[in-house]
Amino acid sequence: NAGVTQTPKFRVLKTGQSMTLLCAQDMNHEYMYWYRQDPGMGLRLIHYSVGEGTTAKGEVPDGYNVSRLKKQNFLLGLESAAPSQTSVYFCASSYTETSTDTQYFGPGTRLTVL
Amino acid sequence: KQEVTQIPAALSVPEGENLVLNCSFTDSAIYNLQWFRQDPGKGLTSLLLIQSSQREQTSGRLNASLDKSSGRSTLYIAASQPGDSATYLCAALTSGTYKYIFGTGTRLKVLA
Repeated sequence: NAGVTQTPKFRVLKTGQSMTLLCAQDMNHEYMYWYRQDPGMGLRLIHYSVGEGTTAKGEVPDGYNVSRLKKQNFLLGLESAAPSQTSVYFCASSYTETSTDTQYFGPGTRLTVL
Repeated sequence: KQEVTQIPAALSVPEGENLVLNCSFTDSAIYNLQWFRQDPGKGLTSLLLIQSSQREQTSGRLNASLDKSSGRSTLYIAASQPGDSATYLCAALTSGTYKYIFGTGTRLKVLA
């Protein structure tokens, strides 16, 4: 049981390049989330998914797109990277969104945009 | 709009000391409040989850309390150890949104 995994762990992009971050979970969770963590800002929700084939915007969705084609995978795409997207990106998943259910986090992807 | 604040931003204590980390939130309409631990370069690990109907939760040397009326939660760590050194984050699940709002964390260093 690997939990939540993220690929890649590190990446350096030039402004304007595109990339996709992959999140995978093997816990059969319905809900998946993408956050970014910046110094002094805490974690902020980018997009989330309440099930296969569904996605929704979070607090800071601009510049990102997501897809949930398979229940176990949640992809985060940057179509045209900007320096403001330099951050650490965390994926999380949970079985439900009820008050008793915790979110399980991946190890993070550190992205630098030059 | 829910805002979550953690003070202090950093804290150093000698080994063996009992300590309290603070978390405050502006909207008391929450489903739950969670405390997480984050080690450098790592993801977040859930420590304790307190539902809105509960006052506290305990796990080993950790005790978290919740006072919705005052918009405050505390994480009490007993007999601190160097292995407790990490960043501790609290997050509030706000009613109606089902989304967590995170505080910026308290970076704890326990000195041997």
